[in-house]
Amino acid sequence: SAVISQKPSRDICQRGTSLTIQCQVDSQVTMMFWYRQQPGQSLTLIATANQGSEATYESGFVIDKFPISRPNLTFSTLTVSNMSPEDSSIYLCSVEILGEQYFGPGTRLTVT
Amino acid sequence: GEDVEQSLFLSVREGDSSVINCTYTDSSSTYLYWYKQEPGAGLQLLTYIFSNMDMKQDQRLTVLLNKKDKHLSLRIADTQTGDSAIYFCAEKRDTGRRALTFGSGTRLQVQP
Repeated sequence: SAVISQKPSRDICQRGTSLTIQCQVDSQVTMMFWYRQQPGQSLTLIATANQGSEATYESGFVIDKFPISRPNLTFSTLTVSNMSPEDSSIYLCSVEILGEQYFGPGTRLTVT
Repeated sequence: GEDVEQSLFLSVREGDSSVINCTYTDSSSTYLYWYKQEPGAGLQLLTYIFSNMDMKQDQRLTVLLNKKDKHLSLRIADTQTGDSAIYFCAEKRDTGRRALTFGSGTRLQVQP
């Protein structure tokens, strides 16, 4: 299994500002994923982040809005840029280990 | 989420069995997962099944997979009030894209 931590656990931000969310894993993993869960909704994949390469974004998500860093095999960051109230969501990072996919506790973001 | 469908709500009495159903459309799915999300919490991996299996049992949980009908179910025996949560099924497709596609989630309410 994997232990995943995220910082911050929650934040309230003003529109137009940016927030960087950190994800730390207790073991080395090749692929990390960032998902968004809008209020009352299911999870939607934002991007896949491999160490040493550019993140791959899903349709509807762009690097300028959601830049991702992956400096090593245990850490990643997701930035939500120029926020609007529509960005209010839970943001979750995830890793795959031996076929099992584990999720962090999530970062609950509210944009006012 | 349209490719993975779940009913939205299920109510059972404590001690009864719960059966949560899921249908998916992609025949290339390799792994199918069940996650539990309690209010304000992240996703907890409950169990998963390989696409070449029909059934998997883990304590109170039984997963049944009908690959022909693309139907997945999660049975919880002796359901307890602590089982009240949202349950998500998710599939991983054999496309090299290792992220998951989630269903909309089923809210399980256990009545004492």
